[in-house]
Amino acid sequence: RKEVEQDPGPFNVPEGATVAFNCTYSNSASQSFFWYRQDCRKEPKLLMSVYSSGNEDGRFTAQLNRASQYISLLIRDSKLSDSATYLCVVNAGGFKTIFGAGTRLFVKA
Amino acid sequence: EAGVTQFPSHSVIEKGQTVTLRCDPISGHDNLYWYRRVMGKEIKFLLHFVKESKQDESGMPNNRFLAERTGGTYSTLKVQPAELEDSGVYFCASSQLQGKSYNEQFFGPGTRLTVL
Repeated sequence: RKEVEQDPGPFNVPEGATVAFNCTYSNSASQSFFWYRQDCRKEPKLLMSVYSSGNEDGRFTAQLNRASQYISLLIRDSKLSDSATYLCVVNAGGFKTIFGAGTRLFVKA
Repeated sequence: EAGVTQFPSHSVIEKGQTVTLRCDPISGHDNLYWYRRVMGKEIKFLLHFVKESKQDESGMPNNRFLAERTGGTYSTLKVQPAELEDSGVYFCASSQLQGKSYNEQFFGPGTRLTVL
């Protein structure tokens, strides 16, 4: 079983749609959680950290469920520019980070 | 401010040859990380430096890989001798040192290595 699992997609949604991604992690001792965005053939960039209380940044909302060991990302009012791969990233202690394989999103006009 | 830079952007070598990848972190970032993404797979952690010291090299695949960070500035990752399965994109990332908490990692554009 992978340490961080994501649905690879792709998710194909029209502009304006709401889309949600989930991610599960296996290490219950994991301490920090993040969503990164990676555009095609580019480097990953931090989208947002994920806190236990949930957090929102504009159209993006992240949630953490420690009991069930999953993280979610909700994108509202999707834009064409949201098309990318979304990487779930878990820090299991220290500075070692574990990446999920990513979920691909295509937003179409 | 300059971001993380990596050199070369692409490298094509033959099996058995040696390749050295370089990473220049953001100035002032004491943490430096190497990652690798093999085609179709997730990004995998290779190792982590704090300044010139290796803190965690548990992700290094085998002893054909050698990472150094002399002087605590730029880092090199040498693969010797390269094998076909070493092909992939090698990312470097850096972050500030702030206690033991995770800080945002800034990634370089990666080096795409192809071993023929």
